Amino acid sequence: NAGVMQNPRHLVRRRGQEARLRCSPMKGHSHVYWYRQLPEEGLKFMVYLQKENIIDESGMPKERFSAEFPKEGPSILRIQQVVRGDSAAYFCASSPGAAGGAFFGQGTRLTVV
Amino acid sequence: TQLLEQSPQFLSIQEGENLTVYCNSSSVFSSLQWYRQEPGEGPVLLVTVVTGGEVKKLKRLTFQFGDARKDSSLHITAAQPGDTGLYLCAGVRTGANNLFFGTGTRLTVIP
Repeated sequence: NAGVMQNPRHLVRRRGQEARLRCSPMKGHSHVYWYRQLPEEGLKFMVYLQKENIIDESGMPKERFSAEFPKEGPSILRIQQVVRGDSAAYFCASSPGAAGGAFFGQGTRLTVV
Repeated sequence: TQLLEQSPQFLSIQEGENLTVYCNSSSVFSSLQWYRQEPGEGPVLLVTVVTGGEVKKLKRLTFQFGDARKDSSLHITAAQPGDTGLYLCAGVRTGANNLFFGTGTRLTVIP
């Protein structure tokens, strides 16, 4: 009965490289959320996806960031041409429906050097 | 402007004391959740409330959803050092899809 799995836990990228963050939701969950968290701050909503569909991406920068949740496989958050300001913890959560509680992974800590 | 405002932002109390944390908004929510997050970990779901006026208890924690479904409170009785952490409320607005988080309350319980 695995929970939400995120990998990698830690990711170091040089400025200008690409970062790919993966999230496998809990079994039976078709809703995925991505959040960004800076140290000592709360969670900032980025994007909400259901299988093969982006439902709400209002919190995601329009440039360099993209997300997908394919029919098969994990959800991917992709950051192209990373900059130092992208350094943060990125959390993924899944839920069985829109109004229920969400279950979080342990996060990916991205450091851009 | 934050959709969900939590107060207080920081709270430091002695072991055994009681405390209440508030989560307020001008928007109506179809559901509201409370989470607890420890350093280096993801938030852990504590409770979901969906009905206005609803009260749920989880051991020493009591959660209440406001009658108008715009606010919520978390009351902890006889706090223990293990209660230390970041407490986050989150909600889905009526008619919307995404789950927004509050600003958080950082609780420290001193032994």
